[in-house]
Amino acid sequence: DAGVTQSPTHLIKTRGQQVTLRCSPKSGHDTVSWYQQALGQGPQFIFQYYEEEERQRGNFPDRFSGHQFPNYSSELNVNALLLGDSALYLCASSLGAGNYEQYFGPGTRLTVT
Amino acid sequence: QKEVEQNSGPLSVPEGAIASLNCTYSDRGSQSFFWYRQYSGKSPELIMSIYSNGDKEDGRFTAQLNKASQYVSLLIRDSQPSDSATYLCAVNLDTGNQFYFGTGTSLTVIP
Repeated sequence: DAGVTQSPTHLIKTRGQQVTLRCSPKSGHDTVSWYQQALGQGPQFIFQYYEEEERQRGNFPDRFSGHQFPNYSSELNVNALLLGDSALYLCASSLGAGNYEQYFGPGTRLTVT
Repeated sequence: QKEVEQNSGPLSVPEGAIASLNCTYSDRGSQSFFWYRQYSGKSPELIMSIYSNGDKEDGRFTAQLNKASQYVSLLIRDSQPSDSATYLCAVNLDTGNQFYFGTGTSLTVIP
């Protein structure tokens, strides 16, 4: 049973650049949520995609955008990168939107210089 | 006021002891509660979910929920050095699909 996968594993970008992170959900799951985790902090909710639509958004600027494809995979795009965007970006998948168990992928470590 | 609060620790227990991890939340309408384990440099791993008041046991882990007190806890019996990790509490605040995480409690099990 394939778990949640994310790519790339690590990424180094320069301030002002744009980045795209990718996620494939666990087999059988249809919902993808994205989180940002700074060092020493808990994950912070960015947004959730279900049925190819953004269902809910956390307190993140619109520099953060996303997309879900018909095969349920998802992308997270961040424009105009800031030094403060350096973090571990986590994708979590679940079956259905709402109060369901979420399973995390290994994450993408983004460093902005 | 933070939505989910945990003591950051570190919490140290001897091998074989019971480790007790606590979490409080602010929204009385919260419906679902989760405990995740995160090893250093790794992503969170779901270990327990609980939806109703009372205790839920799974192997060496017991989750306890008290909605009246807005409190959820995780007990780890017969603690092992491999249990040394950061434990994250997550809560769905009944405002939709958003999960709020605490900052985590660092647990060290001493052999």
